[in-house]
Amino acid sequence: EAGVVQSPRYKIIEKKQPVAFWCNPISGHNTLYWYLQNLGQGPELLIRYENEEAVDDSQLPKDRFSAERLKGVDSTLKIQPAELGDSAVYLCASTMTSGSYEQYFGPGTRLTVT
Amino acid sequence: GENVEQHPSTLSVQEGDSAVIKCTYSDSASNYFPWYKQELGKGPQLIIDIRSNVGEKKDQRIAVTLNKTAKHFSLHITETQPEDSAVYFCAASIGGNTPLVFGKGTRLSVIA
Repeated sequence: EAGVVQSPRYKIIEKKQPVAFWCNPISGHNTLYWYLQNLGQGPELLIRYENEEAVDDSQLPKDRFSAERLKGVDSTLKIQPAELGDSAVYLCASTMTSGSYEQYFGPGTRLTVT
Repeated sequence: GENVEQHPSTLSVQEGDSAVIKCTYSDSASNYFPWYKQELGKGPQLIIDIRSNVGEKKDQRIAVTLNKTAKHFSLHITETQPEDSAVYFCAASIGGNTPLVFGKGTRLSVIA
């Protein structure tokens, strides 16, 4: 079974530029999460999707961050414009909605804003 | 909301010794407690988890214990090997597909 796929793995941009991250969850997993991981910290939730609906986005900075999950499968997370403080690892995770607890993470996208 | 504290932040052990990492949580509604291993440049990997209806779970060299009354849970790794070196995270949630709240991680170094 293929795991959670993320791309790109690394991205370096200048501040004020836009950037987008892509995630493909494990097949059959209805719930998708985007987490932010700062250096030396544990992941923190940005947004959670149930199929194509964002059900928990209270931690997403909506002035510059946006996300979508068209057709309830792949998801894209966008930052526009990026700031120096956005440098971090952006992790995507997925789980089956019905009665499942285990969350499986992708390898992450390491963003560096210069 | 939930708050998870993890200790120690770093841990060095000799190969073959045991390692113990401890976490506490604040929300009594939490009932699912996974542990993740994260190697450099990789995403967190689920290594073991426990639900609130059991007090202990074991998988080969890894075990997790849970004390719901005291709101703490621990990861035990026995007969440590150099490949166990990584950052370990504990987490808690109220179960199902609700988001995980993570501790700040423990960097484990196993010295050969």
